[in-house]
Amino acid sequence: GIQVEQSPPDLILQEGANSTLRCNFSDSVNNLQWFHQNPWGQLINLFYIPSGTKQNGRLSATTVATERYSLLYISSSQTTDSGVYFCAVEIDYGGATNKLIFGTGTLLAVQP
Amino acid sequence: ETGVTQSPTHLIKTRGQQVTLRCSSQSGHNTVSWYQQALGQGPQFIFQYYREEENGRGNFPPRFSGLQFPNYSSELNVNALELDDSALYLCASSLGQGEPYNEQFFGPGTRLTVL
Repeated sequence: GIQVEQSPPDLILQEGANSTLRCNFSDSVNNLQWFHQNPWGQLINLFYIPSGTKQNGRLSATTVATERYSLLYISSSQTTDSGVYFCAVEIDYGGATNKLIFGTGTLLAVQP
Repeated sequence: ETGVTQSPTHLIKTRGQQVTLRCSSQSGHNTVSWYQQALGQGPQFIFQYYREEENGRGNFPPRFSGLQFPNYSSELNVNALELDDSALYLCASSLGQGEPYNEQFFGPGTRLTVL
């Protein structure tokens, strides 16, 4: 099956620093989403980005589907950015089902 | 617009018991997917419901079953609980099959502990 790898696995930043998180996937996908999971377990939608570049405030994302990777940029990081970041790819799963396959995650800690 | 809600928030059961978890989809969404997230791992797809029918299943045994109701809310049932079933159970809703924009939105989860 498809493999979804994220790097780095862990990241420690000082408040105000910038970072880039990467998501590599091993096969063609229909779509890709980025999530932030807060300490209480809630998955917060960041981007729905099958291709191209999107920006939302301090966050931006780029997906290059032909090369099978996506990048999440966090600028001017804040302590509230701490948590686990997941990319998830959507694949056809027989019939009409579109299920999400989650990556391995990046654990981000932003220190004041 | 109401987001995805789940109940209960936390649950403690003993091995061998049965459990039912509930999910209300986001307004306008007719597809619900369930995921299991073990500690330290990413969520794993259990199954998906579309218009009250199971529409795809992950690598989970038959003791994991579900329902979707006419209002598109859903239940996840787990029979004969095992210790390894301890996890965060997440429900996600989306617009539906064939939609060009099929973003999934997650509820806050139910944390199940099996003793």
